[in-house]
Amino acid sequence: GENVEQHPSTLSVQEGDSAVIKCTYSDSASNYFPWYKQELGKRPQLIIDIRSNVGEKKDQRIAVTLNKTAKHFSLHITETQPEDSAVYFCAATPTDKLIFGTGTRLQVFP
Amino acid sequence: GAGVSQSPSNKVTEKGKDVELRCDPISGHTALYWYRQSLGQGLEFLIYFQGNSAPDKSGLPSDRFSAERTGGSVSTLTIQRTQQEDSAVYLCASSLVRGSGNTIYFGEGSWLTVV
Repeated sequence: GENVEQHPSTLSVQEGDSAVIKCTYSDSASNYFPWYKQELGKRPQLIIDIRSNVGEKKDQRIAVTLNKTAKHFSLHITETQPEDSAVYFCAATPTDKLIFGTGTRLQVFP
Repeated sequence: GAGVSQSPSNKVTEKGKDVELRCDPISGHTALYWYRQSLGQGLEFLIYFQGNSAPDKSGLPSDRFSAERTGGSVSTLTIQRTQQEDSAVYLCASSLVRGSGNTIYFGEGSWLTVV
């Protein structure tokens, strides 16, 4: 089955700096890669996703890149703000069942 | 409803007791998932339902855990003879149709504490 690894587990940045979170997956059949943001005590919510026929996708300050050959994908947040502080989860799936990474706790300091 | 609804939101139970957690998915969503999140940890897949197909139970940690989905809508996750290590947030999620690439929407979770 699919296995997803995520790094780093914690990330601290100054407001305005960029943040990058990286994930690798094991199943070459995986074709859908979403990213979820979970604020403290809240439910995880989808922030961006990418499909295997696309190499990069942007949505304002957030972008995701995918390298299918290397089986890794990354989340990039530019011009970080304190409200970006949360736990971020990557996920991958070749079928219907999303397998999540272990999460990255991002702290943005003013 | 507007979103995935879970109950109870919080449950404290004594070790050895059975608990039932309920999930009401978004109306019209045919796929339903249960995940477990221990304190400060990731999202651990438990079980997946899709329509009338046999559920994918590959993530259930032991035979004390079971789940059912009646009428293709509401689901109940049952934990028998609870143990302290069962303490976690149990998150239910649903998605519109089967197939990779469909957004899944999470409920607020049921916080279970076994004392």
